[in-house]
Amino acid sequence: ETGVTQTPRHLVMGMTNKKSLKCEQHLGHNAMYWYKQSAKKPLELMFVYNFKEQTENNSVPSRFSPECPNSSHLFLHLHTLQPEDSALYLCASSQELGGRAGEVAKNIQYFGAGTRLSVL
Amino acid sequence: KNEVEQSPQNLTAQEGEFITINCSYSVGISALHWLQQHPGGGIVSLFMLSSGKKKHGRLIATINIQEKHSSLHITASHPRDSAVYICAVEGTSGSRLTFGEGTQLTVNP
Repeated sequence: ETGVTQTPRHLVMGMTNKKSLKCEQHLGHNAMYWYKQSAKKPLELMFVYNFKEQTENNSVPSRFSPECPNSSHLFLHLHTLQPEDSALYLCASSQELGGRAGEVAKNIQYFGAGTRLSVL
Repeated sequence: KNEVEQSPQNLTAQEGEFITINCSYSVGISALHWLQQHPGGGIVSLFMLSSGKKKHGRLIATINIQEKHSSLHITASHPRDSAVYICAVEGTSGSRLTFGEGTQLTVNP
């Protein structure tokens, strides 16, 4: 148990559906992340939030829409996805973003178990 | 070419063997992370290091900053060590991680 909970664990959706992925952390962290993991490829950073503000959008298509209502919750809203969007979506959190030298432990990211998404 | 390269991509060992997984990177970093991903997806942070060597139980991680290389060693391997081991580097400008493709380790009884 890492303290980061993702729901649902598995999701199957059609290309016209709208669904949302949820991430919740009970660690008191201020930074949260969405990653995509496709088969045989490295994890790809999608979005970063720091104190509820989006600090990074890694050229993610607009069919993925993140929402961070508070530092403990992060959502990823999905609409009109494509089959190539099928992947494992991982949420992570860290104590803070860009800790100063000597405070690198604050950058350790704690991951959720992920949502396995299949787009038909 | 990925900024973080791991070798081997796949590794099969017999229980009890000493295992080494390598990671090379091409950019300046503030820290390097070793992560473990079990079937089902969950990722656990094993080590974060910026110099020298760290040990936790049967796991040892080393880093050579000059050579831009890190190794993860597992002593007395066990089938429960079977997982994907991922190397990730943290850039000098913040906590953004760049990941390697991972090494699939299978330890047979």
